[in-house]
Amino acid sequence: SQQGEEDPQALSIQEGENATMNCSYKTSINNLQWYRQNSGRGLVHLILIRSNEREKHSGRLRVTLDTSKKSSSLLITASRAADTASYFCATDYGNNRLAFGKGNQVVVIP
Amino acid sequence: GAGVSQSPSNKVTEKGKDVELRCDPISGHTALYWYRQSLGQGLEFLIYFQGNSAPDKSGLPSDRFSAERTGGSVSTLTIQRTQQEDSAVYLCASSFGVGAGEQYFGPGTRLTVT
Repeated sequence: SQQGEEDPQALSIQEGENATMNCSYKTSINNLQWYRQNSGRGLVHLILIRSNEREKHSGRLRVTLDTSKKSSSLLITASRAADTASYFCATDYGNNRLAFGKGNQVVVIP
Repeated sequence: GAGVSQSPSNKVTEKGKDVELRCDPISGHTALYWYRQSLGQGLEFLIYFQGNSAPDKSGLPSDRFSAERTGGSVSTLTIQRTQQEDSAVYLCASSFGVGAGEQYFGPGTRLTVT
């Protein structure tokens, strides 16, 4: 199936360090989105990058999109303990739904 | 303003019973989505509504699953004759329109089938 797929990492970093996670997908997309999930419940939208965009920033978040490689990365700079969560990429293939990856568990150690 | 709400937050039911899960989307959002999250399957898309219409039901896992939406607002996901493999967190999301980009998620309903 057409799924966004993160590198299945569990990241454990010190507060203040940067965290990077990657996502790949299989076919052309309308956009790619990143979501955060705390404690296995509701997802919070972080950032959306359209297929004609290459980089986008939102606060301490930086997302890149490489359509030639069908991949995206999410960078969290100067991490905080509150950034501890699971992060999911979700691809919009234009079929009226999001295809989610398996998620990356990030633990920020104070 | 109010976000997406779901009820109940937790539901424990016996195998074979029917359950109804409710979703209240953000006011004014015409699109509504249901997803399921389980340990083995990750986040799976189930169904979407544009208004009260669900054009594509192919994501529903079996014919025991059904969903409806009334008044372009509240949606109910019904699972008949529940099975243990139905245990999961059921997430609802809404957006301004189908294909509108970001989706706003509710807190989910954790369903446990014993």
